[in-house]
Amino acid sequence: AQSVTQPDIHITVSEGASLELRCNYSYGATPYLFWYVQSPGQGLQLLLKYFSGDTLVQGIKGFEAEFKRSQSSFNLRKPSVHWSDAAEYFCAVASGSGYALNFGKGTSLLVTP
Amino acid sequence: EAQVTQNPRYLITVTGKKLTVTCSQNMNHEYMSWYRQDPGLGLRQIYYSMNVEVTDKGDVPEGYKVSRKEKRNFPLILESPSPNQTSLYFCASRDPGSSAFFGQGTRLTVV
Repeated sequence: AQSVTQPDIHITVSEGASLELRCNYSYGATPYLFWYVQSPGQGLQLLLKYFSGDTLVQGIKGFEAEFKRSQSSFNLRKPSVHWSDAAEYFCAVASGSGYALNFGKGTSLLVTP
Repeated sequence: EAQVTQNPRYLITVTGKKLTVTCSQNMNHEYMSWYRQDPGLGLRQIYYSMNVEVTDKGDVPEGYKVSRKEKRNFPLILESPSPNQTSLYFCASRDPGSSAFFGQGTRLTVV
């Protein structure tokens, strides 16, 4: 069965520190991979996506993610976190030709001064 | 501007009183879907539609109905809401090979 796992429910980092949010997937087909962010009281905003090509993708707000097929992972990174990055982050996967998006359960990021 | 519009944003209702949450997209996407978001459970798909008059159940369809009479609209219907349907609901649309566009969400409370 297809699944998306975000192993960390909560993560706390200090402002200015680096960040890595983990995402692992179990998928038979070539996946399309996404990271979304949800600020408190807001909808979901697309941070970045990977469909093919360069396995290191750049997104908005200084985020990047790396697709590692051998590890079935698509981890999200940011070199220096800002207080405004505090939010819920969701990894999502879709099959290449399909419509359905499968979401992980999310990682809640807290940024401390 | 490409967007998915949900209404209402907030709704408090009583058990058993039928309600409809509307969803409209202006991108001519074939695929639309409804999710509910609950703490610790992430987003779970309720129903989806691959085109007009084509709908199918997602992971948590019990207690919900949908319809797709026009390509742009995909309303979510709760015939007899219950307190366990208190949740944050999102409508989304996409085409294959593209990212999904989400509405702003509808926070529903059933008392």
